[in-house]
Amino acid sequence: AQSVAQPEDQVNVAEGNPLTVKCTYSVSGNPYLFWYVQYPNRGLQFLLKYITGDNLVKGSYGFEAEFNKSQTSFHLKKPSALVSDSALYFCAVRDIELIFGTGTRLQVFP
Amino acid sequence: KAGVTQTPRYLIKTRGQQVTLSCSPISGHRSVSWYQQTPGQGLQFLFEYFSETQRNKGNFPGRFSGRQFSNSRSEMNVSTLELGDSALYLCASSLSQEQFFGPGTRLTVL
Repeated sequence: AQSVAQPEDQVNVAEGNPLTVKCTYSVSGNPYLFWYVQYPNRGLQFLLKYITGDNLVKGSYGFEAEFNKSQTSFHLKKPSALVSDSALYFCAVRDIELIFGTGTRLQVFP
Repeated sequence: KAGVTQTPRYLIKTRGQQVTLSCSPISGHRSVSWYQQTPGQGLQFLFEYFSETQRNKGNFPGRFSGRQFSNSRSEMNVSTLELGDSALYLCASSLSQEQFFGPGTRLTVL
């Protein structure tokens, strides 16, 4: 069965510093991986996806993610965090449906 | 292009009642999926519809049902509401691998 894991419930980072939100996956076959962000009382907003091709995927709002097959990881990164990036981030793998991780709350402090 | 819309945004019901939630997908998207989000269980897949047919179903009791109309709009119904049905219900539409989410309907069961 396909699954993703987000090992950190919360990540704290100072504004201007680089951020990383971790995700590992377990799939059979080629993975279709996604990152979504959720702001309070809102739905999920698509950030980026990996289907095939370059291991470094660039997405919305300056975010990027690195697909690492040997480590079965798909970590979300941003070179310089903003306070407005504070939100709940979900990693997901597409099977027939989207299978989500448990989410990581990102807190960016001024 | 307008995004996914869900109505109503907020709903309060009592135990034993039934509820119908509505979702209008992005124009041209024929696939609609529904997810339940709770603090305890996270994001869980309910079902997916494509061209008016249920294509996939998650592990939820028969009290949860849905349908899709010829214009791709979808409804989900929950009968005999229980306290544990209180959740944010998210609808997503897709054209291919990427799913676009609506803002959700917050259902509170008293």
